[in-house]
Amino acid sequence: SQQGEEDPQALSIQEGENATMNCSYKTSINNLQWYRQNSGRGLVHLILIRSNEREKHSGRLRVTLDTSKKSSSLLITASRAADTASYFCATDLWGGKLIFGQGTELSVKP
Amino acid sequence: EPEVTQTPSHQVTQMGQEVILRCVPISNHLYFYWYRQILGQKVEFLVSFYNNEISEKSEIFDDQFSVERPDGSNFTLKIRSTKLEDSAMYFCASVGVAHSNQPQHFGDGTRLSIL
Repeated sequence: SQQGEEDPQALSIQEGENATMNCSYKTSINNLQWYRQNSGRGLVHLILIRSNEREKHSGRLRVTLDTSKKSSSLLITASRAADTASYFCATDLWGGKLIFGQGTELSVKP
Repeated sequence: EPEVTQTPSHQVTQMGQEVILRCVPISNHLYFYWYRQILGQKVEFLVSFYNNEISEKSEIFDDQFSVERPDGSNFTLKIRSTKLEDSAMYFCASVGVAHSNQPQHFGDGTRLSIL
């Protein structure tokens, strides 16, 4: 498997529900970042979690990191239709460049 | 909030032609990157640039690609002789300090279509 794999690949939920996306990686990391991409648009940084952190919150976003399992999760609580987008995890391997996963396509139905 | 800007937003070019994609990173950032995203696929690293030199490049970044910081604000990606498979979204990113815990800031991308 590749560095930075997300699951599920696609997720469809109703407005108000929570959405959970998972990311797994293979090598030691400096930090892990989550980005959002609206269709055909650029990447918007959501949250960065350092390798020595286990959980981080930002508004309706909650990110966890388990370095022993080499995995992370992104939870969006009380989802809105405007949260519809693709979500990517990206690992910083101490070299500065980011390695992206395949992404999770989230659809939030009103 | 300062942002990374990219021009043009969409570029259509004939195969074999040269193309230059332009980026203006955030003004006090020192590290610059190009990534690409082929339609429906993940974002892939192309090259990183610091202190007027390439820091790292991927296997994708072959002799047809080059980067330049021609002045204090612009950062360009040139593809000398475009191929059909170069069709993709190209993203520029910048960060104040690399090897730190700062997020990279991305532009909205240039959609490159090779005919």
